[in-house]
Amino acid sequence: QKEVEQDPGPLSVPEGAIVSLNCTYSNSAFQYFMWYRQYSRKGPELLMYTYSSGNKEDGRFTAQVDKSSKYISLFIRDSQPSDSATYLCAMSSSASKIIFGSGTRLSIRP
Amino acid sequence: SAVISQKPSRDICQRGTSLTIQCQVDSQVTMMFWYRQQPGQSLTLIATANQGSEATYESGFVIDKFPISRPNLTFSTLTVSNMSPEDSSIYLCSARDTSYEQYFGPGTRLTVT
Repeated sequence: QKEVEQDPGPLSVPEGAIVSLNCTYSNSAFQYFMWYRQYSRKGPELLMYTYSSGNKEDGRFTAQVDKSSKYISLFIRDSQPSDSATYLCAMSSSASKIIFGSGTRLSIRP
Repeated sequence: SAVISQKPSRDICQRGTSLTIQCQVDSQVTMMFWYRQQPGQSLTLIATANQGSEATYESGFVIDKFPISRPNLTFSTLTVSNMSPEDSSIYLCSARDTSYEQYFGPGTRLTVT
């Protein structure tokens, strides 16, 4: 079993829809949770960063962490074609290396 | 946040040669890392670049093949030695600051012929 599981997609939704991206994990020691966005031929860009459980909102993006279920989510409201990218979840314990999900390819149809 | 630049952005190299990739961060960071990413795949950690000491390599990666330097808190290099076509990939530099936020450079796209 992988430490972090992420549905690779691809996921295609119409413009304006709410997008839900999810990851599950097995290591209860993880405390730091991140979402990265990666456009084609670019490096990953840190999108959201959350410590421990709870929600964090930044504009159209909301990150949720449920440590009891070992489940994290990223919601994108009012999705735009410019949101089309690969989204990678990532997590770590205090000083350890980050473990990445395999990435979900998202396409927003105009 | 940290801004990371890498040089070169891409290169085409011949089998058996070596390439050194440079990574510069615009602020002092606690940790620097090197990753490899095959097209359409997730990120694979090669090593952690330690300032003033030898890098810490992940399983499957060795110093003779991927020597790494980190002379100060903002700069690191990765060398891909004695290259073969299997080394064709995107190489990414990454840095973590004191808040545990980790950032990535734009990547170096390497093709070995």
